[in-house]
Parts: sequence; C-alpha cells; structure tokens
Amino acid sequence: NAGVTQTPKFRVLKTGQSMTLLCAQDMNHEYMYWYRQDPGMGLRLIHYSVGEGTTAKGEVPDGYNVSRLKKQNFLLGLESAAPSQTSVYFCASSYTTGFGQPQHFGDGTRLSIL
Amino acid sequence: DAKTTQPPSMDCAEGRAANLPCNHSTISGNEYVYWYRQIHSQGPQYIIHGLKNNETNEMASLIITEDRKSSTLILPHATLRDTAVYYCIVRLNTDKLIFGTGTRLQVFP
Repeated sequence: NAGVTQTPKFRVLKTGQSMTLLCAQDMNHEYMYWYRQDPGMGLRLIHYSVGEGTTAKGEVPDGYNVSRLKKQNFLLGLESAAPSQTSVYFCASSYTTGFGQPQHFGDGTRLSIL
Repeated sequence: DAKTTQPPSMDCAEGRAANLPCNHSTISGNEYVYWYRQIHSQGPQYIIHGLKNNETNEMASLIITEDRKSSTLILPHATLRDTAVYYCIVRLNTDKLIFGTGTRLQVFP
C-alpha cells in the first residue's frame, strides 16, 4: 500500500543545474499537487493538476515547470536551480476536487541548492 | 493568506485530552474545516474535516461552533506520538489547501 511516493528523498544541486522530482500515486487519484515548505512556514502550493495532460499554477509557480503525462505521475522540474529553491518539496494527491476529499501526501524531497 | 488563527504552541500531558482551538471568523457557508498534522520531517497527514456538525473518527473529534466561526480538534487520549504541528485549514472554493503556521503540540510524559 504505497500511497504517494516521491523520488528522490534527498538531493544537492549546484546553482544553475536542472533536475526533475518525481511523484507517483497508486490510488487512481485525479488531482495531484506540488508544495514547498520552508523552515518555520506552512506549505505553499507550486503547481497542481486536475487530470492527465492538464496543469495549473499555484501560489508560487515561478522557476518551476510540471508535467502530467500519465495519471499516476506528476513531475516537478527545475530548469536552472537557484539557492532560493532550497526547500522541502511535498507531493499530494486527491480523488476529486469535490468538497470532502482529503489530500494524501508523500514524505517529501529535501533539496539543497548550493 | 490563511483564513484561520491558531495558537503557535500548546502542551499536553500524555493520556490527557488535547484540545486544539482554531478561529475562522470569515468562513463562508460552503467551506469545510480541515485538520492536518505534520510529524517532524514527514508529509502532512489528514486527520478530519467537517462542515457544520461535529465529527468523530478513529483519530480525533472535531467540534464546530454553531456560528461556524471557530472549531476545536480533540485528541481524546494524547500519546507521545501525537507530538506534531497541527494545521487548521478552511477549504477554499477550489481544491487548494492554504496552510498557515499551525499549532505545535508537545505531548509530555
């Protein structure tokens, strides 16, 4: 019963490098989300997807791109990493957007940009 | 901006009930109150949600005032493993959750 799985769990990048974070869910959820969490703060929504092939911007989308080519996967890309993107990234999924549908979270990817 | 107000921290003795308050005075009629918690270094965990009526599940109880301007999450018998940051969230009219800074609950022996 995997739920939401994030890969990798840890990563260190140099400024200007690119990378992709992978989120996979096995619950057949339509909606998927990427959040970031900085020290002492709550989670902030980066991008989200309401279904395969669709994405939308959240609260803090700048510097990130996403893709949802398969229903079960949601990718978060950093094209040119910056130190300000050092954070913990959480992926979540939910069945629908209807009221009463809780989001299920992965355990996060800890990303450091030097 | 978060639409809820929570105390930054609370303590609770192990085995006692933990009562976590939340003010949401601007809540609209079709918005639910959600509670999540985040244990250190883990992803947030859904606890419970409600609209008007009080709710109970295997983890907690949610008491919502009649005017819906505030609510209380109750952990009936707190354990050390309940030490976490608890987030009270009012669900917007979309699927977005907006997290504030939450209440840091410390359960002590």
